[in-house]
Amino acid sequence: KNQVEQSPQSLIILEGKNCTLQCNYTVSPFSNLRWYKQDTGRGPVSLTIMTFSENTKSNGRYTATLDADTKQSSLHITASQLSDSASYICVVSEFSGGGADGLTFGKGTHLIIQP
Amino acid sequence: DAGITQSPRHKVTETGTPVTLRCHQTENHRYMYWYRQDPGHGLRLIHYSYGVKDTDKGEVSDGYSVSRSKTEDFLLTLESATSSQTSVYFCATNEGATDTQYFGPGTRLTVL
Repeated sequence: KNQVEQSPQSLIILEGKNCTLQCNYTVSPFSNLRWYKQDTGRGPVSLTIMTFSENTKSNGRYTATLDADTKQSSLHITASQLSDSASYICVVSEFSGGGADGLTFGKGTHLIIQP
Repeated sequence: DAGITQSPRHKVTETGTPVTLRCHQTENHRYMYWYRQDPGHGLRLIHYSYGVKDTDKGEVSDGYSVSRSKTEDFLLTLESATSSQTSVYFCATNEGATDTQYFGPGTRLTVL
C-alpha cells in the first residue's frame, strides 16, 4: 500500500529560526511530489510541486528538495515568521495513466512559530 | 481559496437526515474532488469527477454519493448521515489530473 510519512508530527521554533520538515514515501510508480501549507480553518494551499527530474524547488522562503532514489523529500523554511505557523502536508502522486485518484496524503507536520 | 466556494461552511445535523454539500468553481477546471479531513488522518478522497456527469469513487466512498450536472458545480450527498461522517469536508479542483490542486475553504459538518 502506498504510504507517505511525515516527521516530526509537530514542531515549535522561535521566530527568525530555520527549520526542516521531512517526508518519506513508498508511492510507486512516482509522478510528482507536492508540499501544501494549511492554515488553521482553511483549505491547503500549494507551495511547490516537483517531478522525478527536479531535486530542488523554491517558493520565497520555502525550499523543497527531492531525492527520488531514496524516496525522501524535505521542506526547508528560512527565517521563519509568525505567519508560517500552519500544518505542512506532503502529497505524492502515483503515475496512474491519467487517473485522478492516485494521490497519497501525509498526515502533516504542525508547525508553531513563537515570538 | 480563490475561485472555489463551498456551502454551507458549517452545518449541524442529526443522525439519519440527508445532507448535501455544494462546491462551486469559477476556474473552469475539468477535475473536481471531495475529501474529508479528520484528526490523525491525512486528507482522504471520497469521490472525484473528471467531467460533467463523469464521476468515480475514492478511498472512503461508502455512505456518500456525488453529482456533477455542470462544470462549475460538484455536489456531495450524505443520504443518511451518521456520527462517523462528522468531519471537515474539502472540495478541490485542477485542470489536469497531475496538476496542482486548488482547495476550497472547507465545510465543517457535525452529525449528532
